[in-house]
Amino acid sequence: GAVVSQHPSWVICKSGTSVKIECRSLDFQATTMFWYRQFPKQSLMLMATSNEGSKATYEQGVEKDKFLINHASLTLSTLTVTSAHPEDSSFYICSAREAPRAREQYFGPGTRLTVT
Amino acid sequence: EDKVVQSPLSLVVHEGDTVTLNCSYEVTNFRSLLWYKQEKKAPTFLFMLTSSGIEKKSGRLSSILDKKELFSILNITATQTGDSAIYLCAVLLMNRDDKIIFGKGTRLHILP
Repeated sequence: GAVVSQHPSWVICKSGTSVKIECRSLDFQATTMFWYRQFPKQSLMLMATSNEGSKATYEQGVEKDKFLINHASLTLSTLTVTSAHPEDSSFYICSAREAPRAREQYFGPGTRLTVT
Repeated sequence: EDKVVQSPLSLVVHEGDTVTLNCSYEVTNFRSLLWYKQEKKAPTFLFMLTSSGIEKKSGRLSSILDKKELFSILNITATQTGDSAIYLCAVLLMNRDDKIIFGKGTRLHILP
């Protein structure tokens, strides 16, 4: 089946530093990848939609300059949290879709970010 | 604004009980309704429902969609401790990017 990986699984960083999270589709090419954030006991909130080779589409209220998304290839998207603050601490999950109109999204295992 | 509302938010039952989880939605451009199970990490897919009145079944889990009432239920019969998880309902939208909007989830805990 379709597998999506994320790296790292968890990361602790100091306030003010930047952190990059990778999302890879391992056995399929993902035309679209989605980035979600999940706070404790909350649901998944879509942050942005990333199409290969084009700029990401950010949801309302998500700062594009703070959460930089790059989808440079059909198997890799990266999310960089710039100048991280403690309130950015969260569980970040990506999902990938194989074809433009495919319904199924495959989720990565998530990355837990803690900013101290 | 598109929204997905789940109830109850939290549920504790004994092993062997049957539970029903509810999901209602108000969205524009509905395409499908999805159910996921989330344990410690990312959600795992359970069901996708597109048509009204057709029950989908997988073992002890079943789900049905009512597109007239904008509602879906997820049933779990003969619950086991391994069913303890957060169950997420989501709606797949029919728009340019086919976004998924998630509900807040129902936290289910099964007591042995």
